[in-house]
Amino acid sequence: EVQLVESGGGLVQPGGSLRLSCAASGFTFSNHWMHWVRQTPGKGLVWVSFIKTDETSTDYADSVKGRFTISRDNAKNTLFLQMNSLSADDTAVYYCARNTPNDYWGQGVLVTVSS
Amino acid sequence: DIVMTQSPDSLAVSLGERATINCKSSQSILYSSNNKNCLAWYQQKPGQPPKLLISWTSTRESGVPDRFSGSGSGTDFTLTISSLQAEDVAVYYCQQYYSHILTFGGGTKVEIK
Repeated sequence: EVQLVESGGGLVQPGGSLRLSCAASGFTFSNHWMHWVRQTPGKGLVWVSFIKTDETSTDYADSVKGRFTISRDNAKNTLFLQMNSLSADDTAVYYCARNTPNDYWGQGVLVTVSS
Repeated sequence: DIVMTQSPDSLAVSLGERATINCKSSQSILYSSNNKNCLAWYQQKPGQPPKLLISWTSTRESGVPDRFSGSGSGTDFTLTISSLQAEDVAVYYCQQYYSHILTFGGGTKVEIK
């Protein structure tokens, strides 16, 4: 069974940092592109970032470019999102998702940026 | 970025009746290699992550009931629920994946009338 489990969310002050993780199981993680998508409470879905199978290519939404870094550890079947210089606008539930289109999603992790 | 515009924002339909959701892309999302549009539909129920229902405009994912169908061409696409069931109450999103910068429509909330 394919499973994606996010962790690392929580409350952080403006300007702070967080590192999200997404532990994958039930499939060959190294064979799949991975994405981060976020959702502001009560609002729609916004793509954040993606990474190819071997990290040779990544990209980011303009709103997070230069502040967020996506990476992966194929040996540990884990996807990461390093988030720096956080602001209130980054408050959201963050989902990791597999493939394009996104055929499997994690349950999501809440990131709250507030003083 | 490709802008996806969904309508309506919300929809109330009687049980057993048809629900139709529209989605428009700001440019062509036709993948030339297979002549198919890179358009997906997702269903999101409260407290749950989105679930992929349909890809390539009209290809249902395994296990998705056949009352869900997708259609469209050019820049206009439609998700139809042919006979609304209580378990279909959810928010539905379209997504283009022609560009690796994925973009979603704003969502359509489907409720029971």
